[in-house]
Amino acid sequence: NAGVMQNPRHLVRRRGQEARLRCSPMKGHSHVYWYRQLPEEGLKFMVYLQKENIIDESGMPKERFSAEFPKEGPSILRIQQVVRGDSAAYFCASSLDTGGTSYGYTFGSGTRLTVV
Amino acid sequence: AQSVSQHNHHVILSEAASLELGCNYSYGGTVNLFWYVQYPGQHLQLLLKYFSGDPLVKGIKGFEAEFIKSKFSFNLRKPSVQWSDTAEYFCAALDYKLSFGAGTTVTVRA
Repeated sequence: NAGVMQNPRHLVRRRGQEARLRCSPMKGHSHVYWYRQLPEEGLKFMVYLQKENIIDESGMPKERFSAEFPKEGPSILRIQQVVRGDSAAYFCASSLDTGGTSYGYTFGSGTRLTVV
Repeated sequence: AQSVSQHNHHVILSEAASLELGCNYSYGGTVNLFWYVQYPGQHLQLLLKYFSGDPLVKGIKGFEAEFIKSKFSFNLRKPSVQWSDTAEYFCAALDYKLSFGAGTTVTVRA
């Protein structure tokens, strides 16, 4: 079982470009969560998705950020017109059950986004 | 949603010293609690979790945590740390999404 796969591991973008971060959940998991870790800070919840549905996006910035988890393929976190403040590590997690309340989450290795 | 607070931002100790990291969560009822560790440059790894049952939970690498419902606490302990325990430690609480504390950086000096 390959676990939660995130790619790329490192992503460098110039200000104004788009960043696309991909997350493939563990086999059999249909719940995906995105978190952002800023330097010197903890992990902040961004969005919770189930296949083709956004369950909770209360942690997503109102502009430039979007997420999807299509029926086929990985979950995508998309950041349009990146700014330096978007530089952070973005972690994806998946769970077998709703909210991970029975079995918890499994985390990926993260994507480190650097905006230059 | 739960909020989680960790008492210490940075802890520095010597090898073989005992470690205790404080964690409090915001409200009662059914709560699932976790401690994660993040070694430098790596992803989060689960140290231990509490869902129900024995409030003293044993995890990997010699760590344990005690759930005290009356104090809304879930403190992490290790009797004797090693240099390899240098890492950042996160407490987390789950209602239907996982909420993390700000983390505690632990530096173990050889």
